[in-house]
Amino acid sequence: DVKVTQSSRYLVKRTGEKVFLECVQDMDHENMFWYRQDPGLGLRLIYFSYDVKMKEKGDIPEGYSVSREKKERFSLILESASTNQTSMYLCASSLGGPFGYTFGSGTRLTVV
Amino acid sequence: EDQVTQSPEALRLQEGESSSLNCSYTVSGLRGLFWYRQDPGKGPEFLFTLYSAGEEKEKERLKATLTKKESFLHITAPKPEDSATYLCAVWEGTALIFGKGTTLSVSS
Repeated sequence: DVKVTQSSRYLVKRTGEKVFLECVQDMDHENMFWYRQDPGLGLRLIYFSYDVKMKEKGDIPEGYSVSREKKERFSLILESASTNQTSMYLCASSLGGPFGYTFGSGTRLTVV
Repeated sequence: EDQVTQSPEALRLQEGESSSLNCSYTVSGLRGLFWYRQDPGKGPEFLFTLYSAGEEKEKERLKATLTKKESFLHITAPKPEDSATYLCAVWEGTALIFGKGTTLSVSS
């Protein structure tokens, strides 16, 4: 089975800090995605990537950036964390299109 | 504008009490509708994919159906272990777009 690993389950950061959320998949998937999940709002797409060094904005990219230097790793960067970025962050990868979409366990980030 | 709307937001059932969850969508030219299950503190897990109106998929106590405008997830004789949030998503060409989910609680 494809495994998507997010480096931290829980993170607490201070306002203004630069935050890196790491995601690694082990099945040579082309596509990787970052979502955030908030009560009452569901999953919202932040960024996605179809190939190494490629990135596309999702529905809510403001305040975030991403990096994909290697196929298996997709990083989400909060340049200057703010309290409204407190959320559950979910990484996913897929074979292509919607197929084989597999999620990591999530990182619950709290910004204080 | 919401592309995927799920109802109800929350559903409480007694063990054995069958019911259905609804997912309506407004994406034109549907290229796939997906159901996921999410347990607290975990990422969503894939359940079903449906592609065309009239299609049905089954897995244990769950059956998913699809019409031209909505999908239903039928839960027959649920058990407490079926308690979870059920997410519906559509493929709009670049990424999956999710509904807000239905949180199901089944009590014994």
